[in-house]
Amino acid sequence: AQSVTQPDIHITVSEGASLELRCNYSYGATPYLFWYVQSPGQGLQLLLKYFSGDTLVQGIKGFEAEFKRSQSSFNLRKPSVHWSDAAEYFCAVGNYGQNFVFGPGTRLSVLP
Amino acid sequence: NAGVMQNPRHLVRRRGQEARLRCSPMKGHSHVYWYRQLPEEGLKFMVYLQKENIIDESGMPKERFSAEFPKEGPSILRIQQVVRGDSAAYFCASLGGTSFSSGNTIYFGEGSWLTVV
Repeated sequence: AQSVTQPDIHITVSEGASLELRCNYSYGATPYLFWYVQSPGQGLQLLLKYFSGDTLVQGIKGFEAEFKRSQSSFNLRKPSVHWSDAAEYFCAVGNYGQNFVFGPGTRLSVLP
Repeated sequence: NAGVMQNPRHLVRRRGQEARLRCSPMKGHSHVYWYRQLPEEGLKFMVYLQKENIIDESGMPKERFSAEFPKEGPSILRIQQVVRGDSAAYFCASLGGTSFSSGNTIYFGEGSWLTVV
């Protein structure tokens, strides 16, 4: 069965600092991987996705993520965090024609 | 191109009443997913539908919950005889095309917040 873990429930970083949010998945085939961001009371916005090819994918808002098959990981990174990045971040895995499983989320707080 | 539209955005129901949540997918999308998000929790898969068919309902509670995606009109998530534990945000997502190879991806609606009093 497919599953996603996000080991960090809550992360606090200072504005301008770098960020890495961890995501590990379990999936029986080649996974399709996603990162979404959710602000309080809002829906989910797609940050980036990995389908195939280059294992380093670029997304919106300066985010990037690296797919590491050997580690079953798809960690999200940003070199310099802005106060507006404070939100909940969700990693998801799935495949076309199947349901998509989300991780429990990581809440990001940004200190001024 | 309008995004995924959900309504109502906020719904209050008394215990025992019925709640109907609607989701209009993006134009041309024939796949719809419903997720539930309880307060301070992540998204839990409920059901995956294609036009007129339920593909996967493994996340749906066995009683009181049902979903449909008719040939015409929006997808409906129906909760009968609501209880306080049904209070949550319900998100709909849609997907188009026949594979991910052409750049298709899943888009989410803004959610419907159900409060049971």
